[in-house]
Amino acid sequence: DQQVKQNSPSLSVQEGRISILNCDYTNSMFDYFLWYKKYPAEGPTFLISISSIKDKNEDGRFTVFLNKSAKHLSLHIVPSQPGDSAVYFCAARTNYGGATNKLIFGTGTLLAVQP
Amino acid sequence: KAGVTQTPRYLIKTRGQQVTLSCSPISGHRSVSWYQQTPGQGLQFLFEYFSETQRNKGNFPGRFSGRQFSNSRSEMNVSTLELGDSALYLCASSFLAGWETQYFGPGTRLLVL
Repeated sequence: DQQVKQNSPSLSVQEGRISILNCDYTNSMFDYFLWYKKYPAEGPTFLISISSIKDKNEDGRFTVFLNKSAKHLSLHIVPSQPGDSAVYFCAARTNYGGATNKLIFGTGTLLAVQP
Repeated sequence: KAGVTQTPRYLIKTRGQQVTLSCSPISGHRSVSWYQQTPGQGLQFLFEYFSETQRNKGNFPGRFSGRQFSNSRSEMNVSTLELGDSALYLCASSFLAGWETQYFGPGTRLLVL
């Protein structure tokens, strides 16, 4: 049962353009969502997060949008840079039933930013 | 502030052996979680510890176990290794359980032959 889905395994964009990475979820009890960036053989690096009570959160070039009715979130990177090339994971968490740090991860999207 | 550290970084074992991996969280963080990353299954939650107590456990066999010490350092153990246990094992730390952000270590790459 894949509760968090990233349907695009890969995405290629030109440097300077916008990158949009998408994520869908099925569990309506998720209350917090996070995006991580990962290089091979390294641990994920935290990028940005959003609480379920918000619909948008911005941090520099990164913006996350949450559409609760559609159970969909997206990460926008503007402008995209070659150094952004990595695998991006969305992750979700629910504190229903008790505070927890257990994250459910999507399968990841490989972003390639072409110079 | 130093990040999450994991030791060893690389490990080669043979089937049937056991292995112990270590994780030191960010100073002041009391919650530690473990994840397994494989090409086929992606990132999967193993277990979570807070104040030396296991708070949550993922869907893994009993061969996978862990513990947390009073200084918040954590270890995970895998007994009777199988080929399918080859993976990147990641540790993440957070200030509290249910806290907003978790920070990951670089991982331990385990290869079972």
